[in-house]
Amino acid sequence: GAGVSQSPSNKVTEKGKDVELRCDPISGHTALYWYRQSLGQGLEFLIYFQGNSAPDKSGLPSDRFSAERTGGSVSTLTIQRTQQEDSAVYLCASSLRGGPSYEQYFGPGTRLTVT
Amino acid sequence: QQQVKQSPQSLIVQKGGISIINCAYENTAFDYFPWYQQFPGKGPALLIAIRPDVSEKKEGRFTISFNKSAKQFSLHIMDSQPGDSATYFCAVLGGSSGDKLTFGTGTRLAVRP
Repeated sequence: GAGVSQSPSNKVTEKGKDVELRCDPISGHTALYWYRQSLGQGLEFLIYFQGNSAPDKSGLPSDRFSAERTGGSVSTLTIQRTQQEDSAVYLCASSLRGGPSYEQYFGPGTRLTVT
Repeated sequence: QQQVKQSPQSLIVQKGGISIINCAYENTAFDYFPWYQQFPGKGPALLIAIRPDVSEKKEGRFTISFNKSAKQFSLHIMDSQPGDSATYFCAVLGGSSGDKLTFGTGTRLAVRP
């Protein structure tokens, strides 16, 4: 079956521009996660959606970052006024439910380069 | 505060050898300890995971050893193959961190033919 898909696979943007990254989770998965992978910081959690509950935004590094999940499926991560330190691979994951009993399946990521 | 410390940063092993990667954690409330494997250009994929109620879990050539009192867990890859060459991440989940994974810094494994 189809896994987690992300688009675009690569994005190059100029400093100060806004970008939107898209995640299509596995059908039927109620939990969706965004992580960021960078050379200096490793893999770090950004935000977590579980069903209709309020999202856990505790990992967002600044108020320039936001995410939404429409209809309990597709999610968009938006970065406003991008900075060079935002350059990283942004990974989306989904799981059937939240919690340790359910494996998180990762997408291939979007590589963001801010010039 | 780094919640998960992973070592070594990189590892070179000969084909057929044993690869060992270690992780140490701080919070005793964590209750799920997975290892992820990542190939270049791909997202991480779950390799094997363990709960704190057992000390060892084996799946094929991959084994997790878990030491609750020492707050350490390790990944052993037996009969390492060139196809195992990848980056490996340990992670923890649970406690105050809820459902989000906290990852170690990664180990780049190269298995030489």
